[in-house]
Amino acid sequence: GAVVSQHPSRVICKSGTSVKIECRSLDFQATTMFWYRQFPKKSLMLMATSNEGSKATYEQGVEKDKFLINHASLTLSTLTVTSAHPEDSSFYICSATPRRESSYNEQFFGPGTRLTVL
Amino acid sequence: EDQVTQSPEALRLQEGESSSLNCSYTVSGLRGLFWYRQDPGKGPEFLFTLYSAGEEKEKERLKATLTKKESFLHITAPKPEDSATYLCAQGFSGGYNKLIFGAGTRLAVHP
Repeated sequence: GAVVSQHPSRVICKSGTSVKIECRSLDFQATTMFWYRQFPKKSLMLMATSNEGSKATYEQGVEKDKFLINHASLTLSTLTVTSAHPEDSSFYICSATPRRESSYNEQFFGPGTRLTVL
Repeated sequence: EDQVTQSPEALRLQEGESSSLNCSYTVSGLRGLFWYRQDPGKGPEFLFTLYSAGEEKEKERLKATLTKKESFLHITAPKPEDSATYLCAQGFSGGYNKLIFGAGTRLAVHP
């Protein structure tokens, strides 16, 4: 149980294009989904938190117009990197919190998406 | 400032050589202390959640413990397949189940 998928696993795009990454909870409904960014040999940096049907909450320093988050249902959230530039190249990971009383802060992570912007 | 500090940054062990990883956390508003394992190029894999001082949890060669200010991940008789980065994270009360991650400990176990 508690499986989270991400698609695509790897994407290469040209500078100026937009890229959409999907995050799905496969066997549970997610109260909340999170988007993280990770640089090589660094820890996870929380970018934003999203709840189904409401606007995402972005962390300080994260451009909300650059990183668009849509949380369409209790099992799907998408991150769109708009007008991507080489500095946006990174490993993007999503996570989801199950919708149950005992879950507290438990987060289950997707396998990540490696974005390379040329 | 809310932060999570892990030590050591990197650890090299011989197969069978037991050791412990440390995670220090800020005390205010603790809502769970989490341990994850991350392999290169993959998302973190959930290991344990601890909620109160004195609590312990075990899984195979791993045992996590929690005090009022820190948590330890004990690795007993490690094998090469235990090589990974181990991340700890503090959960906070107040809105959206947020986690703050430490920088991780990169563990390498050599045969």
